[in-house]
Amino acid sequence: SQQGEEDPQALSIQEGENATMNCSYKTSINNLQWYRQNSGRGLVHLILIRSNEREKHSGRLRVTLDTSKKSSSLLITASRAADTASYFCATEGNNRLAFGKGNQVVVIP
Amino acid sequence: GAVVSQHPSRVICKSGTSVKIECRSLDFQATTMFWYRQFPKKSLMLMATSNEGSKATYEQGVEKDKFLINHASLTLSTLTVTSAHPEDSSFYICSAKGGRSYEQYFGPGTRLTVT
Repeated sequence: SQQGEEDPQALSIQEGENATMNCSYKTSINNLQWYRQNSGRGLVHLILIRSNEREKHSGRLRVTLDTSKKSSSLLITASRAADTASYFCATEGNNRLAFGKGNQVVVIP
Repeated sequence: GAVVSQHPSRVICKSGTSVKIECRSLDFQATTMFWYRQFPKKSLMLMATSNEGSKATYEQGVEKDKFLINHASLTLSTLTVTSAHPEDSSFYICSAKGGRSYEQYFGPGTRLTVT
């Protein structure tokens, strides 16, 4: 099965700094999505990038996709304390999502 | 965005009993619903995919007789954990997708604790 895999890291940054997370996957995909999860809660869809796109922006979020390297990155600019959460990438293929391990981001006020 | 609810949000049950978790799409018709399991500090693992009116498709390694899934209507899917054991304790999350939309809308999750 497909699997998006983030680099297993926890980020702790100061408010106002940028946070960057990476994700790698193994198989061909239709699109790659990033989700956010607050502790013990459901997932919130952040952004989707299609396999034929290289970069996408949404507010303070910037996602890149390199299909030749099978990798993606999520950048959160000017982080806020409220951005503290776990972030997951997920690849879509065969009408299902495969989630990566997740990055825990802590933004210190 | 679309709203998906889950009930209950938390449940504690004794070993050997069965627990039913409901997943509802509140403002759209969900042609496909997904059930995931998440262990602490881990990622989501897809358990099964269900389409309204048909049998669920289970992922490899997931026991279909233990995790019964019913998707009887376009707004409701249920997951029943039968003869629960402590190792079934986990966070169960559903998601729903409607029509041609690519996006899955996730429920808030159900924390199951089996004592």
